[in-house]
Amino acid sequence: QKEVEQDPGPLSVPEGAIVSLNCTYSNSAFQYFMWYRQYSRKGPELLMYTYSSGNKEDGRFTAQVDKSSKYISLFIRDSQPSDSATYLCAMSDSGGYQKVTFGTGTKLQVIP
Amino acid sequence: GAVVSQHPSWVICKSGTSVKIECRSLDFQATTMFWYRQFPKQSLMLMATSNEGSKATYEQGVEKDKFLINHASLTLSTLTVTSAHPEDSSFYICSARFASGGPQGFGPGTRLTVT
Repeated sequence: QKEVEQDPGPLSVPEGAIVSLNCTYSNSAFQYFMWYRQYSRKGPELLMYTYSSGNKEDGRFTAQVDKSSKYISLFIRDSQPSDSATYLCAMSDSGGYQKVTFGTGTKLQVIP
Repeated sequence: GAVVSQHPSWVICKSGTSVKIECRSLDFQATTMFWYRQFPKQSLMLMATSNEGSKATYEQGVEKDKFLINHASLTLSTLTVTSAHPEDSSFYICSARFASGGPQGFGPGTRLTVT
């Protein structure tokens, strides 16, 4: 079993839809949670990061962490074609953001 | 996240030659940088942690004599792929954290093709 599981997709949605991206994990020591967006042939771009459980909102993006279920989510409201990319969840333990474990990424396509 | 640059963005080399990839932190000092490798349709795999002024820490299974890492200053880390072979063809990405902590910011990546 992988430490971090993420549905690879692809996930296709119409423009304007609400997108839900999810990851599950098995390591209860994870306390720092991140979401990165990666366009084809580019390095990952940090979208959101949270510590421990709870919600965090930034514009059209909302990150949720449920440590009791070992489940994290990223919601994208009013999705745009420019949101089409691969979304990687990532997490690390109490050492901070030093050693990060990544999910395999979910490829998202927003259709105009 | 941190602002990080990489050079070159794409390199093609012949089997048996060595290739150097540079990673720079643009507007901050990075005591620690990280090197990742990403194969097509796969996630990022940490290769090594580069610490300024000391030896790099390599992940299990990564050959330290093949992937030479040098972190000579607070703004520059280099990865040299020695005696490259076609199986080393991959997307190499570096990242860095601000010295005060926080999540890693990634460089744009270097695509290496070994023929």
